[in-house]
Amino acid sequence: KNEVEQSPQNLTAQEGEFITINCSYSVGISALHWLQQHPGGGIVSLFMLSSGKKKHGRLIATINIQEKHSSLHITASHPRDSAVYICAVLGNTGNQFYFGTGTSLTVIP
Amino acid sequence: KAGVTQTPRYLIKTRGQQVTLSCSPISGHRSVSWYQQTPGQGLQFLFEYFSETQRNKGNFPGRFSGRQFSNSRSEMNVSTLELGDSALYLCASRVLGGSEQYFGPGTRLTVT
Repeated sequence: KNEVEQSPQNLTAQEGEFITINCSYSVGISALHWLQQHPGGGIVSLFMLSSGKKKHGRLIATINIQEKHSSLHITASHPRDSAVYICAVLGNTGNQFYFGTGTSLTVIP
Repeated sequence: KAGVTQTPRYLIKTRGQQVTLSCSPISGHRSVSWYQQTPGQGLQFLFEYFSETQRNKGNFPGRFSGRQFSNSRSEMNVSTLELGDSALYLCASRVLGGSEQYFGPGTRLTVT
């Protein structure tokens, strides 16, 4: 069983739709990250969370430490949001990152 | 500040050969981690180096090895390449103890 589970694996949305990607983890963590990977491979960090909620533009990330669950929301989705979104957690020893298998998002104009 | 750089970006090798990939971290970052990414498995942790010492190692065979130099640059080596080693190899750097990792663009290795 993976330490980090994401759902859905694939997601297709119409431009303008509200999107939610979910992440559940089974290990103790010191931080949770949402990463974005565009075709070509480059990975950028969108958010780092240890509690509560963060917002950046149309992106919102939340985490519930008790339930070991995080969500990434995209409001008013746009074709340029098409990418793979990866949930990653840093174990509470601070030594190792664990990754979900990613959610492939396609936003259709 | 320059980002994490990896060389080469693309590589084609034959089964049985060996390969060395290089990663230069962000200036001031002394921790470098390596990951393998394949379509089926996602990102998998290979190892992390700090101050020229391996701190952690993932569940990969001994054919995968790495090292770090005094300037924090890191190399990983894969010997006796297998077809299944075809993947995107990513390195990431961070300040030790920091929670934020910064990824390089990756090296895409194809084994034929």
